[in-house]
Amino acid sequence: GAVVSQHPSRVICKSGTSVKIECRSLDFQATTMFWYRQFPKQSLMLMATSNEGSKATYEQGVEKDKFLINHASLTLSTLTVTSAHPEDSSFYICSAISRGPKPEAFFGQGTRLTVV
Amino acid sequence: AQSVTQPDIHITVSEGASLELRCNYSYGATPYLFWYVQSPGQGLQLLLKYFSGDTLVQGIKGFEAEFKRSQSSFNLRKPSVHWSDAAEYFCAVGLNSGYSTLTFGKGTMLLVSP
Repeated sequence: GAVVSQHPSRVICKSGTSVKIECRSLDFQATTMFWYRQFPKQSLMLMATSNEGSKATYEQGVEKDKFLINHASLTLSTLTVTSAHPEDSSFYICSAISRGPKPEAFFGQGTRLTVV
Repeated sequence: AQSVTQPDIHITVSEGASLELRCNYSYGATPYLFWYVQSPGQGLQLLLKYFSGDTLVQGIKGFEAEFKRSQSSFNLRKPSVHWSDAAEYFCAVGLNSGYSTLTFGKGTMLLVSP
């Protein structure tokens, strides 16, 4: 099946620094990618929709200046957590949607971000 | 807005026993329904989905789910659980087939005992 690679799988950063998370579709093109955040014992919450070549669409309550999303190509979207704080510590997951008449969603393995 | 309820936070099943994970949704029209599995530290893998047609859906790894409109349910079943099935299971509902409006339940953690 199709593969979505998310990197890094784990990252620890200091408060105030920025962290970039990459989401790559390895064997298919994805016009649309989604970024989710998952809190412990909670479900996935959609943060934003990333569309290739255009600005991301953010869900209500998600700060676009804090969570910068860039979808520069049909196989890569990046999420940058700027000026990270401990409350940004979470599990971030991306999904990429395959193109064609029957789109499918494929999820990355997730990134565990810890801000100290 | 749509919502998804998974009433069981965790379930323990003996290996070889049957399994049923419950999922109820709230949505005015016929939803698009999904079940995903997540292993620790991993992303989500699609087990099965219902868009239309036959209300009994077969998925991967021997799982199946049945859409019951009258009960607003989409319960996941497996006749014989294997130890490798231990993971967290998420039910999700969408408004379309484009995955842009997925709402996930809080998940059910499945533990498999020897």
